[in-house]
Amino acid sequence: GENVEQHPSTLSVQEGDSAVIKCTYSDSASNYFPWYKQELGKRPQLIIDIRSNVGEKKDQRIAVTLNKTAKHFSLHITETQPEDSAVYFCAASKGNDYKLSFGAGTTVTVRA
Amino acid sequence: DAGVTQSPTHLIKTRGQHVTLRCSPISGHKSVSWYQQVLGQGPQFIFQYYEKEERGRGNFPDRFSARQFPNYSSELNVNALLLGDSALYLCASSLPTLTTYEQYFGPGTRLTVT
Repeated sequence: GENVEQHPSTLSVQEGDSAVIKCTYSDSASNYFPWYKQELGKRPQLIIDIRSNVGEKKDQRIAVTLNKTAKHFSLHITETQPEDSAVYFCAASKGNDYKLSFGAGTTVTVRA
Repeated sequence: DAGVTQSPTHLIKTRGQHVTLRCSPISGHKSVSWYQQVLGQGPQFIFQYYEKEERGRGNFPDRFSARQFPNYSSELNVNALLLGDSALYLCASSLPTLTTYEQYFGPGTRLTVT
């Protein structure tokens, strides 16, 4: 089955700096890559996703890049704010197989 | 998405007991998936149901079962509870279509087995 690895496990950044989280996947058939943000005690919230036919997608301060050849994708958060502090999960799935395989998560702390 | 609801919010059970967790998807969504999230880890896929039929099953023992009802709500059942079943159980709702893959999570049910 699909194996998703996520790095780093923890990330501490100064407010205003950028944060980058990287994930790799094993199954070349995977074609959908969402990112979820989970605040303490709350549900995972879909923040951005990318399909395999796109190399980059941006939504305000958040961007995701995908390298299909290398089988890795990354989340970039610019101008970080304290409210960006949370656990971020990457995931992968095949288009018509909606099972999401998740990474282990990255705890992001934005220092004021 | 805020439209996915789950009940109960918290549950405490004893080893060997049985538990039923419930999920209502976003209106118009026909698929429900269940995930188990152990503290400090990413969610692990348990089941997916679409149009009341099981479409996928993760690597979980037969003690775990689920079903989907005509109104697309779903139940997850766990028999013979073990301490290791303590986790946050998440339900995710999706349409889905050939081009729409997004899954939206409910708030989860926190299960503690003592």
